[in-house]
Amino acid sequence: AQSVTQLDSHVSVSEGTPVLLRCNYSSSYSPSLFWYVQHPNKGLQLLLKYTSAATLVKGINGFEAEFKKSETSFHLTKPSAHMSDAAEYFCVVNSGGYNKLIFGAGTRLAVHP
Amino acid sequence: AAGVIQSPRHLIKEKRETATLKCYPIPRHDTVYWYQQGPGQDPQFLISFYEKMQSDKGSIPDRFSAQQFSDYHSELNMSSLELGDSALYFCASSLLAGHSGANVLTFGAGSRLTVL
Repeated sequence: AQSVTQLDSHVSVSEGTPVLLRCNYSSSYSPSLFWYVQHPNKGLQLLLKYTSAATLVKGINGFEAEFKKSETSFHLTKPSAHMSDAAEYFCVVNSGGYNKLIFGAGTRLAVHP
Repeated sequence: AAGVIQSPRHLIKEKRETATLKCYPIPRHDTVYWYQQGPGQDPQFLISFYEKMQSDKGSIPDRFSAQQFSDYHSELNMSSLELGDSALYFCASSLLAGHSGANVLTFGAGSRLTVL
């Protein structure tokens, strides 16, 4: 069965410093992986996706993630945090078949001035 | 570009009442999904439909039912509402895996249900 584990429930950074949100996955085959962001009282927005093409995936708003099969990881990074990046971030794996998504528990990112 | 439209955005009901949520997928998307996100929780998959047939089922209570209509919109019907049903309900749509552009779900803004 597919699953994702987000290693940090809360991450706090200062504005202008790098962001690292960690995600490990478990899958019996080559997975499709995603990062979604949810701003307070808002819907889920796709940041980026990995679907067995390039292992370094660039997304919106300066975010990127690297798929590392040897480490079963798909960490999300951004070189310089903005205040507007404060949100909940979900690492997600596609379970295959009918596109059912399995969400991680989420990481709440706080950005301080 | 057109997105996934959900209605109503907010809904307040009493215990034991019924509620219906509607979802209008992105045009030409053939698959609709429903997710439930409780307070402080990650979204949990409820059910999905492909071409008006149920394609997958998750942790959907027996009190809930859903269907997809000929115009591909979907409705989630919830009966005998309980306090624990208070949550944000997301609908998402996609093209079924195997089609170009598949594997990416686009989510609506969600319908917030509050049960008093």
